[in-house]
Amino acid sequence: NAGVTQTPKFQVLKTGQSMTLQCAQDMNHNSMYWYRQDPGMGLRLIYYSASEGTTDKGEVPNGYNVSRLNKREFSLRLESAAPSQTSVYFCASSTTTPKLDGYTFGSGTRLTVV
Amino acid sequence: LAKTTQPISMDSYEGQEVNITCSHNNIATNDYITWYQQFPSQGPRFIIQGYKTKVTNEVASLFIPADRKSSTLSLPRVSLSDTAVYYCLVGDGGGSYIPTFGRGTSLIVHP
Repeated sequence: NAGVTQTPKFQVLKTGQSMTLQCAQDMNHNSMYWYRQDPGMGLRLIYYSASEGTTDKGEVPNGYNVSRLNKREFSLRLESAAPSQTSVYFCASSTTTPKLDGYTFGSGTRLTVV
Repeated sequence: LAKTTQPISMDSYEGQEVNITCSHNNIATNDYITWYQQFPSQGPRFIIQGYKTKVTNEVASLFIPADRKSSTLSLPRVSLSDTAVYYCLVGDGGGSYIPTFGRGTSLIVHP
């Protein structure tokens, strides 16, 4: 049972390059999320997908795009990377539950933009 | 949406009990209180959840007073491995709920 799988685990980009962070879950969850985590800033929501076919902006969406490819996969794209996007990116998925105990996170992608 | 407030950081020593309080003054009737734990270089993971009174599991206890405007996560006899960031979430998980983890409380356990 893999849970939430993120690839790659580490990436170094040059300013202006583009890349896509991949996320896949095998728990049949409806909702998926992308967060970034910077030192002292906690987890900030970039985009989320409440269900297959829908995506919505979170707290910090500028500079990113997302695609909910199917129920399992939710990708995050940086079209033109900037040093301010250096961060650790976490993907998460969840069931629809009132108890908020169903959020499962991936192990993160550490991205450095130089 | 219930806003939560928790301390930014706490320090403790091995073997002590640690209590982390979260304030959520505008909690709604249908809202649950849930805590997540994040170790360095890992994503957060669920540790405990409650609606009212007290809940205990193998990891922690959660105390919720009758007015539910705050909650306290209690970690008994902490060890170095309890060094982590702890997040308090409040909501009903419904269609309009967006999980906001914020900065959490960074707990450092010293030898």
